[in-house]
Amino acid sequence: QKEVEQNSGPLSVPEGAIASLNCTYSDRGSQSFFWYRQYSGKSPELIMSIYSNGDKEDGRFTAQLNKASQYVSLLIRDSQPSDSATYLCAAGQGSGGGADGLTFGKGTHLIIQP
Amino acid sequence: DAMVIQNPRYQVTQFGKPVTLSCSQTLNHNVMYWYQQKSSQAPKLLFHYYDKDFNNEADTPDNFQSRRPNTSFCFLDIRSPGLGDAAMYLCATSRDGNQPQHFGDGTRLSIL
Repeated sequence: QKEVEQNSGPLSVPEGAIASLNCTYSDRGSQSFFWYRQYSGKSPELIMSIYSNGDKEDGRFTAQLNKASQYVSLLIRDSQPSDSATYLCAAGQGSGGGADGLTFGKGTHLIIQP
Repeated sequence: DAMVIQNPRYQVTQFGKPVTLSCSQTLNHNVMYWYQQKSSQAPKLLFHYYDKDFNNEADTPDNFQSRRPNTSFCFLDIRSPGLGDAAMYLCATSRDGNQPQHFGDGTRLSIL
């Protein structure tokens, strides 16, 4: 059974600091990985996608992938109170998630303290 | 703006009374997905359409059905809702399975 594991938190980080979110996945066949941000009562919003080992940067966000360790992470630099949300890690079969859908973790609740 | 639109945003139905949730997209994406998300849980894939090809997850209850009459619309039918079906239902689309999924705003379903 495919599983994506995340620490549910809450993870509390001071404003301006780096928030580090982690995720592991069980299916070695997974090829695509995504981080979604979800505010309470809202739908998931795509933050980052990553397909190859290494780092991928987009603004204040950096996604890291290590397929050998089956590990994905998200770094948020210069954390802002508006970053407070639940962050969902997701894995998919194909290069874009595949037509078979994504397997989501339960999410990490991030709190940025002003 | 191109979007994934779900209606209604909030739906209240009675125990056992059939209900239909709708999703439309202006993205012209080939793949449409339905997820169920309960409080503090991960979104769970129910089924998806790749064009007209329907794919049901093995553990999706028979009580849940879906229709995709054309590229733009997809419906989720719950034939006899139970209290355990109260959840947020999320529709997502993907261009061809090789692009990330984009979600609508969701429909929150309550069962009385």
